[in-house]
Amino acid sequence: AQSVSQHNHHVILSEAASLELGCNYSYGGTVNLFWYVQYPGQHLQLLLKYFSGDPLVKGIKGFEAEFIKSKFSFNLRKPSVQWSDTAEYFCAVNVASNTGKLIFGQGTTLQVKP
Amino acid sequence: EAGVTQSPTHLIKTRGQQATLRCSPISGHTSVYWYQQALGLGLQFLLWYDEGEERNRGNFPPRFSGRQFPNYSSELNVNALELEDSALYLCASSWGRLLNQPQHFGDGTRLSIL
Repeated sequence: AQSVSQHNHHVILSEAASLELGCNYSYGGTVNLFWYVQYPGQHLQLLLKYFSGDPLVKGIKGFEAEFIKSKFSFNLRKPSVQWSDTAEYFCAVNVASNTGKLIFGQGTTLQVKP
Repeated sequence: EAGVTQSPTHLIKTRGQQATLRCSPISGHTSVYWYQQALGLGLQFLLWYDEGEERNRGNFPPRFSGRQFPNYSSELNVNALELEDSALYLCASSWGRLLNQPQHFGDGTRLSIL
C-alpha cells in the first residue's frame, strides 16, 4: 500500500536557522506531491505542490521543496525560519490513478523560538 | 473568495446515535473530499464526491456514507456511532477531477462520542 513517511515529528529551531523537513513516499509510479501547513487555530493551507517539470518548486512564504525521484523524496526547505513559521507541516501524495485520495504523512510540528 | 466551510464546528453525540456533518466547497469547485483525523492516526481519506457521484471511498465501514447535492455541497453521515469515531472530520474541495488541482481544506468538525 502507498504510504508517506515524515522523519521528524517535532523540530525546534531558533529564528534565522535553516529548515529541512524530510518526506518519503512509497509508490513506484507517477505521483503528485504536496506540502500543507496548519498554523495554530487555522485550517490546512497549501504551501507548495509538484506535478511535473522542474523538480525544485517554490511555494509561499519562502518555502521550497525538491523532488528527487530516485530517492522517492520531497523534502521541504527554508533558508531562514521566522517565529511565524511555527506550525504543523504535512507532506501528502496522490497517485496518478485519479482516486481523489491524498495520502498524508503523520505531520511535523515545527516550533521556532524567537 | 470564501473558503471551504464546514458545520457544525463541534458535535457531541453518544454511542449508537447518528451524526450529520456538512460542507460547502469553494465556489466553482465540483469535487468534495472527506478526511478523518483521529488522534494518533493522522489524516485518513474517507470519501470523494464529484458531480453528485461517489467516486471513491477509503477503508471505512459502510456506516460512513454521504452525498453531494446539485449545488456541490456535501453531507457526511455516520451511523451507529462508536467511541473510536471521535475525531476531527475535514472537508476539502477542488476544481474538477483533474489530478493537478490541489485540495483546499475547511476548518473541520470535531465529533466527540460520549
